[in-house]
Amino acid sequence: AQSVAQPEDQVNVAEGNPLTVKCTYSVSGNPYLFWYVQYPNRGLQFLLKYITGDNLVKGSYGFEAEFNKSQTSFHLKKPSALVSDSALYFCAVLPAGVTGGGNKLTFGTGTQLKVEL
Amino acid sequence: GAVVSQHPSRVICKSGTSVKIECRSLDFQATTMFWYRQFPKQSLMLMATSNEGSKATYEQGVEKDKFLINHASLTLSTLTVTSAHPEDSSFYICSARVGNSRASYEQYFGPGTRLTVT
Repeated sequence: AQSVAQPEDQVNVAEGNPLTVKCTYSVSGNPYLFWYVQYPNRGLQFLLKYITGDNLVKGSYGFEAEFNKSQTSFHLKKPSALVSDSALYFCAVLPAGVTGGGNKLTFGTGTQLKVEL
Repeated sequence: GAVVSQHPSRVICKSGTSVKIECRSLDFQATTMFWYRQFPKQSLMLMATSNEGSKATYEQGVEKDKFLINHASLTLSTLTVTSAHPEDSSFYICSARVGNSRASYEQYFGPGTRLTVT
């Protein structure tokens, strides 16, 4: 079965500093990987996804993520954090194949990002 | 980008009553819609997957007779919580899938509905 791990419940960063939100996955085959952001009492907003090609994926609001197959990781990064980036971030994986849950996203437990002045 | 709406955004109901939540894809036709439940400070728990014109597929442990899902059209899915109890209080989020292949997979989420059962 596929799984996604976000090892940090919370990440604290000072505004202007680079940020990293970690994600590792366990799935057979070549997965599709996603990052979503959730603001309080709101649904999830799509940030970026990796399907194939360049391991560095650029997304919305200046975020990017690096796919590392050997480490089975897909960490979210931003060179310079903003206070407005403070939110809950979810990593998700869409497993390979079309059976056994192939059409359903599996989400990590989420990481609360807090950016302070 | 694709927009998914949910109505109502908040609802308070008494124990034993039923509540219907609507999920609409506003500017696209969704091949598949999903219903999630989210507890405070926790991840999304997939409840069911629905395709237009067919019965929903429920995840293990989700009572299909309690959480009725109707996917009447390519732009509308509804979730009805029947005989609601306080433990059903939660944040319910729907999402709609665009694209029939994995390569074109996109999933857009609604803003969520906060259900409180008193």
